[in-house]
Amino acid sequence: GAGVSQSPSNKVTEKGKDVELRCDPISGHTALYWYRQSLGQGLEFLIYFQGNSAPDKSGLPSDRFSAERTGGSVSTLTIQRTQQEDSAVYLCASTLDGGRNQPQHFGDGTRLSIL
Amino acid sequence: AQTVTQSQPEMSVQEAETVTLSCTYDTSESDYYLFWYKQPPSRQMILVIRQEAYKQQNATENRFSVNFQKAAKSFSLKISDSQLGDAAMYFCAYRRNTDKLIFGTGTRLQVFP
Repeated sequence: GAGVSQSPSNKVTEKGKDVELRCDPISGHTALYWYRQSLGQGLEFLIYFQGNSAPDKSGLPSDRFSAERTGGSVSTLTIQRTQQEDSAVYLCASTLDGGRNQPQHFGDGTRLSIL
Repeated sequence: AQTVTQSQPEMSVQEAETVTLSCTYDTSESDYYLFWYKQPPSRQMILVIRQEAYKQQNATENRFSVNFQKAAKSFSLKISDSQLGDAAMYFCAYRRNTDKLIFGTGTRLQVFP
């Protein structure tokens, strides 16, 4: 696609429910990143994919958070048993191959609200 | 661990004037990249400018330029001839190799006509 696409744009759910957030990177981009932006904060790294592998998942805050990527393209971030502190904007970014001189291209994010 | 600090939560500037946003970072690495991203209310992060640590020359992109002081670990963004469309959150970010971006907490820039 022309840019990084994320869905849904907004998600409201009840505490304790599971949610899935989707990221479709730029076509041909092998590196994919998930970030979380809490209200009034900067972006916090969650996980990095190179192809279908995740060489760095150090930012996942708890075992309720998981992510996968299939076919080297679409990635899904899953949050189980959501808590109110999970409320944030979840942003996805991609680069061609993860090279350090490549800027990360971001999607518009998913705003997650936990009631 | 690397950290990025933006000490100005909010800044304001009059249209057509110049404003400088501050950023400092902490790292023991010698080779890395620094970025400024703009985030308007639409939420999308837009790359404004980037600087390679091994380059001494400061990066410029039209009205945007940086003052990169490697020894001082300082990376400020100067916006010249400010426009109403420049109003947004600005984030400074650090990146080493293929690593993730490490962001500061941002500076909200207001532009007054």
